Amino acid sequence: KAGVTQTPRYLIKTRGQQVTLSCSPISGHRSVSWYQQTPGQGLQFLFEYFSETQRNKGNFPGRFSGRQFSNSRSEMNVSTLELGDSALYLCASSLVLGASTDTQYFGPGTRLTVL
Amino acid sequence: AQSVAQPEDQVNVAEGNPLTVKCTYSVSGNPYLFWYVQYPNRGLQFLLKYITGDNLVKGSYGFEAEFNKSQTSFHLKKPSALVSDSALYFCAVRQDNYGQNFVFGPGTRLSVLP
Repeated sequence: KAGVTQTPRYLIKTRGQQVTLSCSPISGHRSVSWYQQTPGQGLQFLFEYFSETQRNKGNFPGRFSGRQFSNSRSEMNVSTLELGDSALYLCASSLVLGASTDTQYFGPGTRLTVL
Repeated sequence: AQSVAQPEDQVNVAEGNPLTVKCTYSVSGNPYLFWYVQYPNRGLQFLLKYITGDNLVKGSYGFEAEFNKSQTSFHLKKPSALVSDSALYFCAVRQDNYGQNFVFGPGTRLSVLP
């Protein structure tokens, strides 16, 4: 079974631009979560989607948004990019929503650099 | 609120020696605990999890972890370290409550020296 895939793997943008990242979950997985990883802040939860609805949200400004499609694929968007948005963005999929015992499986991440 | 601490930023161990990466947690209900490993420029790989039952959990690549409820700890162990185990290790907790997201520790960098 194919793992979680994320595109693109690397991205360079300038301040003020916007960016869209894509995530395809493991086949059959219906829940997709997004994380931001930086050296200073570690892994921080952005949001979780299930059945095309945002079910859970971390403490990030409104510039960070996402959506999920009917095939469970998800995108996240960051508008008006700031230098501090430079990070590795990780997507994780799990079988169902919010089941505490469920394992999240991660994609390889998208490395975003904001100049 | 849930939280996870990994008290050591860096752990160094010689190849062939046993290794331990420490994790302590705080949750208000039953904890579900996970270990992940991250190699350079890669995502996180799932190693093992504790849900219930036996306090000693066995996972991938020869790793195991011991759940200790009284000490609120979930330390990762391996009897004999390999140079290829060198990576960043994350402990995560999820509270026994529907809809709670994962909370990750800050990570511990493991270096296995040949």
